[in-house]
Amino acid sequence: TQLLEQSPQFLSIQEGENLTVYCNSSSVFSSLQWYRQEPGEGPVLLVTVVTGGEVKKLKRLTFQFGDARKDSSLHITAAQPGDTGLYLCAGAYTSNTGKLIFGQGTTLQVKP
Amino acid sequence: NAGVMQNPRHLVRRRGQEARLRCSPMKGHSHVYWYRQLPEEGLKFMVYLQKENIIDESGMPKERFSAEFPKEGPSILRIQQVVRGDSAAYFCASSPIRSGHLSYNEQFFGPGTRLTVL
Repeated sequence: TQLLEQSPQFLSIQEGENLTVYCNSSSVFSSLQWYRQEPGEGPVLLVTVVTGGEVKKLKRLTFQFGDARKDSSLHITAAQPGDTGLYLCAGAYTSNTGKLIFGQGTTLQVKP
Repeated sequence: NAGVMQNPRHLVRRRGQEARLRCSPMKGHSHVYWYRQLPEEGLKFMVYLQKENIIDESGMPKERFSAEFPKEGPSILRIQQVVRGDSAAYFCASSPIRSGHLSYNEQFFGPGTRLTVL
């Protein structure tokens, strides 16, 4: 069974705090995507990481792909209420096409 | 540049009726994927299609569910004789064809169809 463990499942923090979300698997991924989903909407792609050890930054969000391409992390610096939402990691086993395996998601609440 | 479109956004059916969910991929995308999201759960893969072909249906329930992506028109996910357990959000995603050493699987999602079975 292909599994992607995402943690923590829920996170409630104050505005200005930092946080990290983790995504782990025993399998090697060809690529890994991070999505953000608002209630009642579809997931919106934030970033794709492809190379082991790769680090990508999107404003206050930093994404890292593990050296062995089995894990990834999302770090948010100085969280803001607008960061509130569901964050999903998804791994692909094939390079070009094929299904994504999703983690269970992390529900983030940032209180003003 | 329109994104992935799904309709209807909300669908209510009574037990035993049929549900038809439509998905139009992004322009230039020839790969379509369907996922299901149950309340408080992550997205689960159902089926992957290219034009006129089902490539991977390993996530589809064996009965009552079918999918197609005809040469012309949107992809359709069809659920026959719906039951309450089918109530969920159904998402369609599409991806372009990529090739070469920079290829990777990047999927773009539609807004989803929320199916409620009474």
